[in-house]
Amino acid sequence: AQSVSQHNHHVILSEAASLELGCNYSYGGTVNLFWYVQYPGQHLQLLLKYFSGDPLVKGIKGFEAEFIKSKFSFNLRKPSVQWSDTAEYFCAVNAGYNQGGKLIFGQGTELSVKP
Amino acid sequence: GAVVSQHPSRVICKSGTSVKIECRSLDFQATTMFWYRQFPKQSLMLMATSNEGSKATYEQGVEKDKFLINHASLTLSTLTVTSAHPEDSSFYICSAREYNYGYTFGSGTRLTVV
Repeated sequence: AQSVSQHNHHVILSEAASLELGCNYSYGGTVNLFWYVQYPGQHLQLLLKYFSGDPLVKGIKGFEAEFIKSKFSFNLRKPSVQWSDTAEYFCAVNAGYNQGGKLIFGQGTELSVKP
Repeated sequence: GAVVSQHPSRVICKSGTSVKIECRSLDFQATTMFWYRQFPKQSLMLMATSNEGSKATYEQGVEKDKFLINHASLTLSTLTVTSAHPEDSSFYICSAREYNYGYTFGSGTRLTVV
């Protein structure tokens, strides 16, 4: 069965610090990968997604992620975080998108950015 | 982009009663909708997948007689929590799949059973 693992439960950074959140998945076939953000009291929003092509994906709000197939990883990065990036971040994987596959989420990483 | 409207946002019900949560796709047709449950400080756990016009597919461990899912049209899916108990209190989120936009999530429903 597919699974998604996010290594960091809670990350605390100061503004302007660089961010990297780890995400590993277990599935041997073709996958589609996503990062979502959930701001306090709000619904999930898509940050970025990878379906195929360039493994370095750029998303909204300055976020990017790199798909490393050999490591089954899809880590999220941002060079300089802001206080407004404080939120919960979820990595998700789907196998068989074109077949209407379901999204499996990682445990989530809570990011707290101190001003 | 695609928008999913989920109602109600909050509901409090008495133990033993049933609660219906609606999920509507606006401006697009959602052939597939997903229902998730999220506990505080935890991830989203997929409960079931519903396809328009057919029975929902439930994840292992999810009671299909307790969590009734109906996807009668391409724009509406409903989740009914039957005979709710305090342990059913949670945050329920729907997601609709639209081919061009991928997965779009509703704003969630906070259910409290007292």
